[in-house]
Amino acid sequence: AQSVTQPDIHITVSEGASLELRCNYSYGATPYLFWYVQSPGQGLQLLLKYFSGDTLVQGIKGFEAEFKRSQSSFNLRKPSVHWSDAAEYFCAVGTHTGRRALTFGSGTRLQVQP
Amino acid sequence: DTAVSQTPKYLVTQMGNDKSIKCEQNLGHDTMYWYKQDSKKFLKIMFSYNNKELIINETVPNRFSPKSPDKAHLNLHINSLELGDSAVYFCASSQGGQGEAFFGQGTRLTVV
Repeated sequence: AQSVTQPDIHITVSEGASLELRCNYSYGATPYLFWYVQSPGQGLQLLLKYFSGDTLVQGIKGFEAEFKRSQSSFNLRKPSVHWSDAAEYFCAVGTHTGRRALTFGSGTRLQVQP
Repeated sequence: DTAVSQTPKYLVTQMGNDKSIKCEQNLGHDTMYWYKQDSKKFLKIMFSYNNKELIINETVPNRFSPKSPDKAHLNLHINSLELGDSAVYFCASSQGGQGEAFFGQGTRLTVV
């Protein structure tokens, strides 16, 4: 069965600073990978996804993520954080066969300091 | 038009009551889901339907019963509500069960 680990429960960065949120997955083959963002009281919005091909994927709101097969990682990055980026971020893994639902990590709460 | 809509957004009810949450998607997807988000924000799949057929039924008390009248709708009925059922319940949909999932706004259920 697949699993996702987000090692950082809570991260605080200053506005304008760069950001990297970590995500590691466990799955026997190449997975589908996703990053979602959840603002307080809201549903989940897809930031970006990786299915195949170029391992560096661009998403909305200036976010990008890089799939590294050797490290089983899919870290999310942003060069300059804005106060509006404060939210909960979830990494998720989907599979080609078998279980037909996303498995989510436990989330990372991002706080942005002025 | 909202892609995945669920009602109600908030639900406060007493222990022992029975309640339902409704979900509708207008994306033409063939797969719909119910996820539960607990107080620590952890998201866990409860049920998944593909073309009205139940395909995922995780270890969930049988007080929870999903129903899919057609592939655009997935409802969740909960009998004999308990304090531990308090959570945010998210409906989602996808095409084929493998791609990205689109989520509703969530229903915050509080059992008192």
